[in-house]
Amino acid sequence: DAKTTQPPSMDCAEGRAANLPCNHSTISGNEYVYWYRQIHSQGPQYIIHGLKNNETNEMASLIITEDRKSSTLILPHATLRDTAVYYCIVRVARGGSEKLVFGKGMKLTVNP
Amino acid sequence: DTGVSQNPRHKITKRGQNVTFRCDPISEHNRLYWYRQTLGQGPEFLTYFQNEAQLEKSRLLSDRFSAERPKGSFSTLEIQRTEQGDSAMYLCASSLDSKQYFGPGTRLTVT
Repeated sequence: DAKTTQPPSMDCAEGRAANLPCNHSTISGNEYVYWYRQIHSQGPQYIIHGLKNNETNEMASLIITEDRKSSTLILPHATLRDTAVYYCIVRVARGGSEKLVFGKGMKLTVNP
Repeated sequence: DTGVSQNPRHKITKRGQNVTFRCDPISEHNRLYWYRQTLGQGPEFLTYFQNEAQLEKSRLLSDRFSAERPKGSFSTLEIQRTEQGDSAMYLCASSLDSKQYFGPGTRLTVT
């Protein structure tokens, strides 16, 4: 299974853009990059996913490098409620099954 | 859309007892997943159902663990002869496509 590497933590000022990096150098051509976040004591929350192209939704933007070995999640205007553990995940889907393989994630702290 | 619900939210049990957790997925979601999360770690995949068929089980799912989804709707996860190492948050997720929606989890404490 492809693995991802994230820094353990990052701080961001409220109102500024938060750029969360992720390395996934062993990703296969048909594997998607997913981002989830988990606020303390809650289940993980889906944010965004992509394969090759950059993606944007109401929560965030996802920038994937051309070689697909890394990506960046961008929260354009971070708020205090964005403080959470963010997981960059490569989704494994083969043989009729599928699963998310989580790492330890990255703790984002948004400071006032 | 009422979200994924899990019951109970908290369970304290003594070592050696059996426990059962329930997950109610989002209506019409045909895929259901169980994960386990220990403190400071990301969730670990346990098992996956498509409708009532259990299509994958992790090696983490020892013989003491069993999951069912009898009618392709709700699911149960049973742990027999609990051990202290089973203490964790047990998360359920459901999906219709590629996005998994997680429930709030059941926190199990084995004393």
